[in-house]
Amino acid sequence: TQLLEQSPQFLSIQEGENLTVYCNSSSVFSSLQWYRQEPGEGPVLLVTVVTGGEVKKLKRLTFQFGDARKDSSLHITAAQPGDTGLYLCAAFQGGSEKLVFGKGTKLTVNP
Amino acid sequence: EPEVTQTPSHQVTQMGQEVILRCVPISNHLYFYWYRQILGQKVEFLVSFYNNEISEKSEIFDDQFSVERPDGSNFTLKIRSTKLEDSAMYFCASSHGAEKLFFGSGTQLSVL
Repeated sequence: TQLLEQSPQFLSIQEGENLTVYCNSSSVFSSLQWYRQEPGEGPVLLVTVVTGGEVKKLKRLTFQFGDARKDSSLHITAAQPGDTGLYLCAAFQGGSEKLVFGKGTKLTVNP
Repeated sequence: EPEVTQTPSHQVTQMGQEVILRCVPISNHLYFYWYRQILGQKVEFLVSFYNNEISEKSEIFDDQFSVERPDGSNFTLKIRSTKLEDSAMYFCASSHGAEKLFFGSGTQLSVL
């Protein structure tokens, strides 16, 4: 099973700060997904990155896929309390329908 | 916006009992999944279902588990003879193509 390691595990910041969270693996992926999960809810897909070096933006969120397609980062600019949640990276295990998740980064943005 | 709905939101059962978790996937979706998340652990794949049969299952999905699509709208997960370690949040998901999954809000199963 391909493993996805996310860091940091917990992050608590003040409103208006910038932050970056990471998703790393020793495996190469054809694509990688980022999800956000709020307490008592299921994961919600934010973005899928496919090409090595790809950068995608979703308002204040910037997602980057590593050149070697083994790692990814999520950068949030000027974080807001509404960004609070668990950010998960996930990827399909090679040739499989099985989506493998990282353990997530739990982000808290304090007003 | 269409969504995946799961019932019940919470289920408490005694060890050894059978439970059925229910899901209504998004109506035009073709692929259906069950995942689970034990408290403090990763979201884990259990099973995928396509064209009225299991297309893939994990090592967790043993004979204790079964899935069914009894009619055109529901997708169920049955857990027989529940164990304490089956306590988890169970998520149903569906997709039209295989890449973009939509997850339900989950059923929190507590086995006592």
